[in-house]
Parts: sequence; C-alpha cells; structure tokens
Amino acid sequence: AQKVTQAQTEISVVEKEDVTLDCVYETRDTTYYLFWYKQPPSGELVFLIRRNSFDEQNEISGRYSWNFQKSTSSFNFTITASQVVDSAVYFCALSEAFNSGNEKLTFGTGTRLTIIP
Amino acid sequence: KAGVTQTPRYLIKTRGQQVTLSCSPISGHRSVSWYQQTPGQGLQFLFEYFSETQRNKGNFPGRFSGRQFSNSRSEMNVSTLELGDSALYLCASSSGDRGSPLHFGNGTRLTVT
Repeated sequence: AQKVTQAQTEISVVEKEDVTLDCVYETRDTTYYLFWYKQPPSGELVFLIRRNSFDEQNEISGRYSWNFQKSTSSFNFTITASQVVDSAVYFCALSEAFNSGNEKLTFGTGTRLTIIP
Repeated sequence: KAGVTQTPRYLIKTRGQQVTLSCSPISGHRSVSWYQQTPGQGLQFLFEYFSETQRNKGNFPGRFSGRQFSNSRSEMNVSTLELGDSALYLCASSSGDRGSPLHFGNGTRLTVT
C-alpha cells in the first residue's frame, strides 16, 4: 500500500527565514509521481510541482525548491526567504498506478505553515 | 482559462437526506476526480471519471456515487446522509494522462446536522 508521511504537523517561522517541509513516501511501484500542493485558507488545493520517479533532478522555482531523493524516499520542499503569503497547509502526494490510466493520489496529512510577520 | 468550479460552496443538510454536488472542470480536461477532506481522515479519494465512465473508486460506501456528463461536468451524490459525511468535498480535473497534475476547485463544505 502506498503511504505518504509528513511528520511535521505545524511549523511557525519568522518572515524571511527559510523553511523546509519534509515528505517521506512508501510505494512498491517502479514508476510513480510525487506532487506538492498548497491549501490556503480559501480551501482550494493549488498545484505546485510534479516529479516523476525517473527524474531525480532538484528543481528551483523562484523562492521554492524541491529535493527528491529516491534512496531515502523523500521529496522535501524548501521555501527561501519566507513571506506571510506562504502561510498555508502544504500537502505532499503520491500517485498510485492503475492499469486504466490515471491514478488516485495518496496525500500526506499536511503541514500547516505559519509565517510570522 | 477558467478554473475548476464547484457549486454550491456551502450546504447544510439533515441526517437521512441526500445531496448532489456539482463540478465543472477546466475546459478540455476529460478527467474529474472527487476527494473528501476531514480533520480526522485527511484527504481521501472518492472516485474518478473519465469520458463519462468511472475509472477508479476509493473505499467509500455505496451511498457515495457520481457521474460525468458528455461535457465532462460531474456530479457527486450522497444518499442517506450521516453526521460523519460532514466534510469539504473537493473536485479536481486533469487531462487524464498518467501523472498529469490535478487542478482543484474551491470545494463544497457540507455540514450534516
């Protein structure tokens, strides 16, 4: 069975500090996809990034960066120079393959990030 | 491009009633998925529709059902509501290709009293 663990339930940092959100996953699939989503207070889940299991390159997008390490089954997310607008709940998710094509996502329990001005 | 639209945003129902939630996907997206979000269970997959066919289903009782129309719009129905069905119901659309990211709507918050 697939599993995603986000051990950090809540994190608070002062604005402009860097913060890393941890994500550890379990899967028996050899091909899989990992995602990060942001859920602001308004409720919708905002897609941030997708990474497939064959691409271990780290990625940077502005203040956001992601570190994918297959050897430790981790897909961590770092926000540099955090801002108040980064306050949200962040979810890591893992795709589960079905023969029929698309798949369901297994979500972690989320990390509530609060940026203190 | 318009995002995923869910209606209504809020619903209050009584135990035993039934409810229908609606979702309009992003134009061109053929896959619609539904998720339930509760404080206790987190985000759980309900089902996924692709080209009017249910392609995948999560571990929910038969009271939870859905359908998809030819224009890719989807509805989700919950019959014989229970208190535990109170949740945020999120709809997401995608192209339907393997690994394609899901784009979520704002959700429908259902309260069962």
